[in-house]
Amino acid sequence: AQSVTQLDSHVSVSEGTPVLLRCNYSSSYSPSLFWYVQHPNKGLQLLLKYTSAATLVKGINGFEAEFKKSETSFHLTKPSAHMSDAAEYFCVVTTFSGGYNKLIFGAGTRLAVHP
Amino acid sequence: NAGVTQTPKFRVLKTGQSMTLLCAQDMNHEYMYWYRQDPGMGLRLIHYSVGEGTTAKGEVPDGYNVSRLKKQNFLLGLESAAPSQTSVYFCASSSPPARGHNEQFFGPGTRLTVL
Repeated sequence: AQSVTQLDSHVSVSEGTPVLLRCNYSSSYSPSLFWYVQHPNKGLQLLLKYTSAATLVKGINGFEAEFKKSETSFHLTKPSAHMSDAAEYFCVVTTFSGGYNKLIFGAGTRLAVHP
Repeated sequence: NAGVTQTPKFRVLKTGQSMTLLCAQDMNHEYMYWYRQDPGMGLRLIHYSVGEGTTAKGEVPDGYNVSRLKKQNFLLGLESAAPSQTSVYFCASSSPPARGHNEQFFGPGTRLTVL
């Protein structure tokens, strides 16, 4: 069965410092993985996705994630945090089930960015 | 393109009242989904549809009904609202599953409170 664990429920960084949001997954086959971002009172926006091409995936707003099969990880990083990055981030693994791509969400990581 | 839109944005109900949430998408997507988001739990799938006139149960379908009479619209109904249905509801849409094209596009959400 597929599952996702986001290792930190809250992360706090200073503006201009690096961001690391950690995600481990469990999948019985080569998965598709996503990171979505949710700003306060907004819907979910796709940041980036991994679908078995390059293991280092670049997304929007300077974010990137590296798929590491040996570690079953898909951590999200950004070299320099901006105030506008403050949001909740969801790591998602997909599985094909019941005729559609089922999204399995992690519990989320809330990122706070301080001046 | 408006993408995925949801109405209403906010609603307060009393226990036992009924209501319908409307989702519309203009991306010609075959698949549509309804999720609920509760604190610390990510998103959970309520119902989904793989095409006009078809619906299927997701992870947490009890207390909800859906209809997909038109390809662009997906309605979520609560026949007799309960406080446990207080949540934020998200609609999403996608193309049929295909490697590399399996992300879902989300609406802005409906915040529902049941008193």
